[in-house]
Amino acid sequence: DTGVTQSPTHLIKTRGQQVTLRCSPISGHKSVSWYQQVLGQGPQFIFQYYEKEERGRGNFPDRFSARQFPNYSSELNVNALLLGDSALYLCASSKRGENTEAFFGQGTRLTVV
Amino acid sequence: DAKTTQPTSMDCAEGRAANLPCNHSTISGNEYVYWYRQIHSQGPQYIIHGLKNNETNEMASLIITEDRKSSTLILPHATLRDTAVYYCIAHGGGSNYKLTFGKGTLLTVNP
Repeated sequence: DTGVTQSPTHLIKTRGQQVTLRCSPISGHKSVSWYQQVLGQGPQFIFQYYEKEERGRGNFPDRFSARQFPNYSSELNVNALLLGDSALYLCASSKRGENTEAFFGQGTRLTVV
Repeated sequence: DAKTTQPTSMDCAEGRAANLPCNHSTISGNEYVYWYRQIHSQGPQYIIHGLKNNETNEMASLIITEDRKSSTLILPHATLRDTAVYYCIAHGGGSNYKLTFGKGTLLTVNP
């Protein structure tokens, strides 16, 4: 049983550019969530998608958007990158949307220069 | 999610039990207590969760006080590979779609 896979693992972008991060959940999991983790802090919730619909959104600007595809994979898009967007972006999948354990991928390390 | 409070860091000798406390005095009746850990540069890993009864699995035991205002995660025989940041999260209720992570406890297991 493969785990949650994220791509790419590392990425360097320039301020003002746009980035797309990808996530494939565990087979059979219909919920995907995205988290941002800056150095020294715990992960912060960005989005959750369940059955291809947005279930929740964290306190992030509109530059952040996401979607979930029919096969339950997901993409996180960030526009007009700022230096402060440099972080580890984590994807988590779970069977349902609530009260079940979440399985995290290894993350995408985004560096904005 | 209710706020949780954890010590910033703890040490434990290899082979001994590690007992990690968590305070969640404002937890509501439908919120579960979840524990995750994050080994350096990896994604968080689910450990265990419970509502009001004590729970045990192959990784750890979770002891929740009767008033549910605090809990303890127990790693019965800590190894060097258990060195990680441990997060206690009160999860459920109206915002049950997200996990609210604090700063967690850095557990260092020493040889």
